[in-house]
Amino acid sequence: DGGITQSPKYLFRKEGQNVTLSCEQNLNHDAMYWYRQDPGQGLRLIYYSQIVNDFQKGDIAEGYSVSREKKESFPLTVTSAQKNPTAFYLCASSKTGPWTLHFGNGTRLTVT
Amino acid sequence: GQSLEQPSEVTAVEGAIVQINCTYQTSGFYGLSWYQQHDGGAPTFLSYNGLDGLEETGRFSSFLSRSDSYGYLLLQELQMKDSASYFCAVRDGTNAGKSTFGDGTTLTVKP
Repeated sequence: DGGITQSPKYLFRKEGQNVTLSCEQNLNHDAMYWYRQDPGQGLRLIYYSQIVNDFQKGDIAEGYSVSREKKESFPLTVTSAQKNPTAFYLCASSKTGPWTLHFGNGTRLTVT
Repeated sequence: GQSLEQPSEVTAVEGAIVQINCTYQTSGFYGLSWYQQHDGGAPTFLSYNGLDGLEETGRFSSFLSRSDSYGYLLLQELQMKDSASYFCAVRDGTNAGKSTFGDGTTLTVKP
């Protein structure tokens, strides 16, 4: 079955370390996205990519970086510049029109 | 920019009907979507309205009025498994691939 795989499910890091979250999809979708969710809040867009080798900043891109070298993969790096990195990170993909988002199961990152 | 408002919590009993409202302010508008998220899980797509009117999918319906910048999700014949968070999301008018989400409505279904 096609889907989106995020790994790992839980991730623990010390403050000051960069960490990369993995996202792989086999839905053959052109567009991929990273959202951040904090407790009791909605999803906020970090970065999105509508085509390989191109990506755009979302609403909260500061302290994050991404790459899109392959259609199937869209890894997110949380850098030490991100002030409050502890959160639930969701990766999604969509076809370019109708743009319905298909989500992975998320990675819960805890930085202490 | 985009901003959306929806109630933070709604409670209903099994078998009842519940309506979750969403009002939005956008610099451009392409469509309104609804997603369901069970605690700790992945959001899943429920419904989309690109034009005014009602869309029905089984026990779930969604409505949009673009002139009022308003939409709602209607859940009928509520079941315990419907207890979840529900998010409305608008697609950017200039970049349809970019969606902005509301803060979500937590629905609790009681026996």
